[in-house]
Amino acid sequence: GQQLNQSPQSMFIQEGEDVSMNCTSSSIFNTWLWYKQDPGEGPVLLIALYKAGELTSNGRLTAQFGITRKDSFLNISASIPSDVGIYFCAGHNTGTASKLTFGTGTRLQVTL
Amino acid sequence: NAGVTQTPKFQVLKTGQSMTLQCAQDMNHEYMSWYRQDPGMGLRLIHYSVGAGITDQGEVPNGYNVSRSTTEDFPLRLLSAAPSQTSVYFCASSRTTGRAGYTFGSGTRLTVV
Repeated sequence: GQQLNQSPQSMFIQEGEDVSMNCTSSSIFNTWLWYKQDPGEGPVLLIALYKAGELTSNGRLTAQFGITRKDSFLNISASIPSDVGIYFCAGHNTGTASKLTFGTGTRLQVTL
Repeated sequence: NAGVTQTPKFQVLKTGQSMTLQCAQDMNHEYMSWYRQDPGMGLRLIHYSVGAGITDQGEVPNGYNVSRSTTEDFPLRLLSAAPSQTSVYFCASSRTTGRAGYTFGSGTRLTVV
């Protein structure tokens, strides 16, 4: 089955730094979603993108739906310790029922 | 509002045993799915349901059964547990086709020895 490639796989950053991560696919999607998973918990939806080129923010998080519809990007500004976790992208196409295709995840660790 | 509730949170099984992972949602969502999460593999779809009485296979269905007799419940059955099924299992639900994103449960960590 298809999976989305996320990079980087993991990153260590210092508090206050900006973070960028991306997600790429071999096929197009109509919807891109970004989730965050805290340790021991299920993923929680951060941002949903519905249109190619769309740029959407949620607090310090900004995500973009790539023009080609085959990629998406997530930026976190001024990171804080609670940003620690695994960030997943997910793609969805209409007509595929409930199926979301998930990325492999980017593990973020923030040092003081 | 409880959202998606999964039980148990932890389980250890012996090879060959069977068990059912429970999932219930109180949001009247039509769509429900089961995913497994393994290190470096992200989330992989096991089975999903678009409504009561309707289920279908996902990416990795072998060794698992599901049923959907009510809108609220979507149990996952392991027929004969194998060490390869050691994983963290997540149930998720959505009101629409998934376009708005899923609400996930907090997971069941299963170890098969």
